[in-house]
Amino acid sequence: NAGVTQTPKFQVLKTGQSMTLQCAQDMNHNSMYWYRQDPGMGLRLIYYSASEGTTDKGEVPNGYNVSRLNKREFSLRLESAAPSQTSVYFCASSELGLARETQYFGPGTRLLVL
Amino acid sequence: ILNVEQSPQSLHVQEGDSTNFTCSFPSSNFYALHWYRWETAKSPEALFVMTLNGDEKKKGRISATLNTKEGYSYLYIKGSQPEDSATYLCASLGQAGTALIFGKGTTLSVSS
Repeated sequence: NAGVTQTPKFQVLKTGQSMTLQCAQDMNHNSMYWYRQDPGMGLRLIYYSASEGTTDKGEVPNGYNVSRLNKREFSLRLESAAPSQTSVYFCASSELGLARETQYFGPGTRLLVL
Repeated sequence: ILNVEQSPQSLHVQEGDSTNFTCSFPSSNFYALHWYRWETAKSPEALFVMTLNGDEKKKGRISATLNTKEGYSYLYIKGSQPEDSATYLCASLGQAGTALIFGKGTTLSVSS
């Protein structure tokens, strides 16, 4: 099992460009999450998907859109990138999205917006 | 938004020292408290998930306790080793159906 995979690992964008970060999990998990990690800020939730076909906003959703393509895949799209979106993005998944469940994290995508 | 606080922000210990960190969270509507270990250039890995007041969990030299009534959890590392160097994150879920809120972490550095 690969667990949670993310592509790309690193990306440089110019302000105003768009891109999609891809995330896939092979653990048959129902719930998936996108976080961003900034220095001194910890992990902050952008969006999550409790189950296939549903998505909900997290703490910092502005400037992002998500798609739960199927049970395995959850993508994060930046329509018009801004320097403030320079960050490390982590995707995670959990079996049922219950409070007591462990979340499994992907390796992260480092995004630099110039 | 639920506020999860961790202290200290960072600490440096010598190999063999024992150490502990604190995670504070609102005690009302508590559902679960998570601890993760995050090594540089890797992804966070789960250590413990705790749900009951008085819970104590142990994995090797690392253990954690939970007090839901006063809203804190302690993470202990006995006999720290250089490989324990990492950032330790705690996260809480205050209401069922919402997602985890993470603290900013405690970064531990262990010198040999």
